[in-house]
Amino acid sequence: GENVEQHPSTLSVQEGDSAVIKCTYSDSASNYFPWYKQELGKRPQLIIDIRSNVGEKKDQRIAVTLNKTAKHFSLHITETQPEDSAVYFCAASIRSGAGSYQLTFGKGTKLSVIP
Amino acid sequence: DTAVSQTPKYLVTQMGNDKSIKCEQNLGHDTMYWYKQDSKKFLKIMFSYNNKELIINETVPNRFSPKSPDKAHLNLHINSLELGDSAVYFCASSPWAGGYEQYFGPGTRLTVT
Repeated sequence: GENVEQHPSTLSVQEGDSAVIKCTYSDSASNYFPWYKQELGKRPQLIIDIRSNVGEKKDQRIAVTLNKTAKHFSLHITETQPEDSAVYFCAASIRSGAGSYQLTFGKGTKLSVIP
Repeated sequence: DTAVSQTPKYLVTQMGNDKSIKCEQNLGHDTMYWYKQDSKKFLKIMFSYNNKELIINETVPNRFSPKSPDKAHLNLHINSLELGDSAVYFCASSPWAGGYEQYFGPGTRLTVT
């Protein structure tokens, strides 16, 4: 079936460095790509999203890029801080059997920012 | 105000029991979801309701039955609980079905002993 691949599964960076997480998807009809941050014991929280008619979107220290031709999108975090440590999930809207779309999530990336 | 709320937050029960988890959203959204997050943190959709109508029903044992009395509420009832049902269950809502932002509830940690 349609799925979303996410890499790496774990990522350690020094405070102040950049972190990049990459995802690929298989459904060419996917048109919405959100990123969620989940801190330990908490709910996934939407941090940024991008639609298929846009190639890049930025919000302060985080940015997302989308390459529709290659079917991949990436999350970029600059000037990382210890509070950025969490599990990050990418997702893509995938056509479901009901004729609508559902979000399919990647398996997550555990980001550790070392002070 | 909590946008998406779930009760209970923790649920510990024995194998074979029946239990329910409740979810409510006050965002005025049309669509609600149930996700299961296992010990490896993988988020897997189980069900989705749009305006009280079931629109997504993934391959889930029929011991799991969702119910949506109105578009602000989506409950999950689980019969004959098994050890493998232990997980965190998240409710979520979005403005409409399909490619739109989803907002998650705080989760219910279910432990079956």
